Amino acid sequence: ETGVTQSPTHLIKTRGQQVTLRCSSQSGHNTVSWYQQALGQGPQFIFQYYREEENGRGNFPPRFSGLQFPNYSSELNVNALELDDSALYLCASSLPSGPRDGYTFGSGTRLTVV
Amino acid sequence: GDSVTQMEGPVTLSEEAFLTINCTYTATGYPSLFWYVQYPGEGLQLLLKATKADDKGSNKGFEATYRKETTSFHLEKGSVQVSDSAVYFCALGSRDTGNQFYFGTGTSLTVIP
Repeated sequence: ETGVTQSPTHLIKTRGQQVTLRCSSQSGHNTVSWYQQALGQGPQFIFQYYREEENGRGNFPPRFSGLQFPNYSSELNVNALELDDSALYLCASSLPSGPRDGYTFGSGTRLTVV
Repeated sequence: GDSVTQMEGPVTLSEEAFLTINCTYTATGYPSLFWYVQYPGEGLQLLLKATKADDKGSNKGFEATYRKETTSFHLEKGSVQVSDSAVYFCALGSRDTGNQFYFGTGTSLTVIP
């Protein structure tokens, strides 16, 4: 079975720009979550998508938005980038039982905002 | 709200030493508890999990027991190897938390030959 794949692996953007990160979930997983991991910190929950709808959101501003597609892949969009948005962005997929059984994480996209 | 507190690092051990990484949690419901491992430049890998009190999760020689009375989920390994060098994250998740996971800040482990 394939795991979670994310693209691109690295990205450099300028403050104020917009960025789109992509994620393909593990085969059979219909729930996708996005996390932000700042350097030296644990991942912070951004939001989750299930059946193409947002299914929970963490403490992130509206300029962080997402999409889930019928094939369960997902995008994370960030508008008006700020320097503090520099982080590793992790996508995680699961069955709806994720909170009990755990998530499968991708290798992440390293975003640097300059 | 729900949270996880992890032992501060970094931790440096000699090969074959005993490892303990402490983790305590605060939760309003009945969460599942997890340990994830992150190798340099990679994402998180699920190491082990426990879904209810007194459950013991185990994998690759690592163990952790879900202790409700002490709200703890300490990670242990009897004999570490150089290949265990990584960052370890304790996490909790449940439907009561809106499906999100709460992670600790991570504990960096370096094992020297």
